Amino acid sequence: AAGVIQSPRHLIKEKRETATLKCYPIPRHDTVYWYQQGPGQDPQFLISFYEKMQSDKGSIPDRFSAQQFSDYHSELNMSSLELGDSALYFCASSLARVENIQYFGAGTRLSVL
Amino acid sequence: DQQVKQNSPSLSVQEGRISILNCDYTNSMFDYFLWYKKYPAEGPTFLISISSIKDKNEDGRFTVFLNKSAKHLSLHIVPSQPGDSAVYFCAAIPRFLTGANSKLTFGKGITLSVRP
Repeated sequence: AAGVIQSPRHLIKEKRETATLKCYPIPRHDTVYWYQQGPGQDPQFLISFYEKMQSDKGSIPDRFSAQQFSDYHSELNMSSLELGDSALYFCASSLARVENIQYFGAGTRLSVL
Repeated sequence: DQQVKQNSPSLSVQEGRISILNCDYTNSMFDYFLWYKKYPAEGPTFLISISSIKDKNEDGRFTVFLNKSAKHLSLHIVPSQPGDSAVYFCAAIPRFLTGANSKLTFGKGITLSVRP
């Protein structure tokens, strides 16, 4: 069965650079979520989209923005990167109208040097 | 403030025995709970969930128990297998955030090691 696809898997950036993370949800899923997991931490909710509209927002810095496109894939754009942005970024998708279960991608490991 | 707590960071059990992973929560508005398993370099994989209208849900070797009055849930794995060695996250969703806004609140995870 198709799963959530995230790209790239690894990304290395310098401070103050920008990064774009991509997420392709499971086909026919209508909701995408982004989470950030710092070293030794639990995943923290950043933002979600339902049917291409932002549905909820968590502890996402103003330097970050995200959107969901017409084909339901989503991109997380991160600007003015800081050392503290180094983390695992997970995307999850769900069929929100049917169930509460979120299915996660393998994540993007971002390292800011 | 950690609303979902997994107070034991690690657990080691013998293959074939029962693994019991505990999770406590403080927010009484949580009413849907999920367990995820995570291997290194992979994303969390959904294992099992339970709604607050139930006190038990079973799926093969995995059973989740919910004690609402104690705000406590536990995941039982019987029998434990070496392939179960992973980090297990407990997660919760508040009643008013189901559906499209169902962001997950995670615990910090428990590292389970199953010894052959």
